[in-house]
Amino acid sequence: AQSVTQPDIHITVSEGASLELRCNYSYGATPYLFWYVQSPGQGLQLLLKYFSGDTLVQGIKGFEAEFKRSQSSFNLRKPSVHWSDAAEYFCAVGPYNFNKFYFGSGTKLNVKP
Amino acid sequence: DGGITQSPKYLFRKEGQNVTLSCEQNLNHDAMYWYRQDPGQGLRLIYYSQIVNDFQKGDIAEGYSVSREKKESFPLTVTSAQKNPTAFYLCASTPSGGDQPQHFGDGTRLSIL
Repeated sequence: AQSVTQPDIHITVSEGASLELRCNYSYGATPYLFWYVQSPGQGLQLLLKYFSGDTLVQGIKGFEAEFKRSQSSFNLRKPSVHWSDAAEYFCAVGPYNFNKFYFGSGTKLNVKP
Repeated sequence: DGGITQSPKYLFRKEGQNVTLSCEQNLNHDAMYWYRQDPGQGLRLIYYSQIVNDFQKGDIAEGYSVSREKKESFPLTVTSAQKNPTAFYLCASTPSGGDQPQHFGDGTRLSIL
């Protein structure tokens, strides 16, 4: 069965500190992987995507993610967090079975001044 | 600019009433989706459509209905059979071809009066 797990519901980091958000997936085919960010009351914005090739992908707003097939993981990282990064982050995998996508339950990021 | 427009942003439903959420896209995307978002549960798929005049149930279709009469439009009706409709509803679209991320609207928040 296809699924995405984000083990951390809430994370708090200090501004300027590094960040890593975890994502593990279960998928029956070569995965296409995505990270999205959501501000309160808004839709989801794509941060980055992995389809193939280099396992370290760069995204917008200084984010990057590394695909590790052996660990079924696609963790999101940022070297130095800004207060404006406070939001909820979603990992997703797909498409599968007629264009379906699967989302994790999200990680809420709080940034301390 | 191309994008997805959801309306209204806020919607209130009375007991026993059907309400319809609008989703319009001008991205020329073939596939469209409706998700329900509840706190701590991520995105759950309600319905999706890959082409005009065709749609499939997602994981939580009970109490909802959709239509896809035009490529750019995918309205969602929340019927009186949906006993717990209070949630944030997100519409998304993606091109056909299977290797593109989803684009999201800004959502509609539905509440019960």
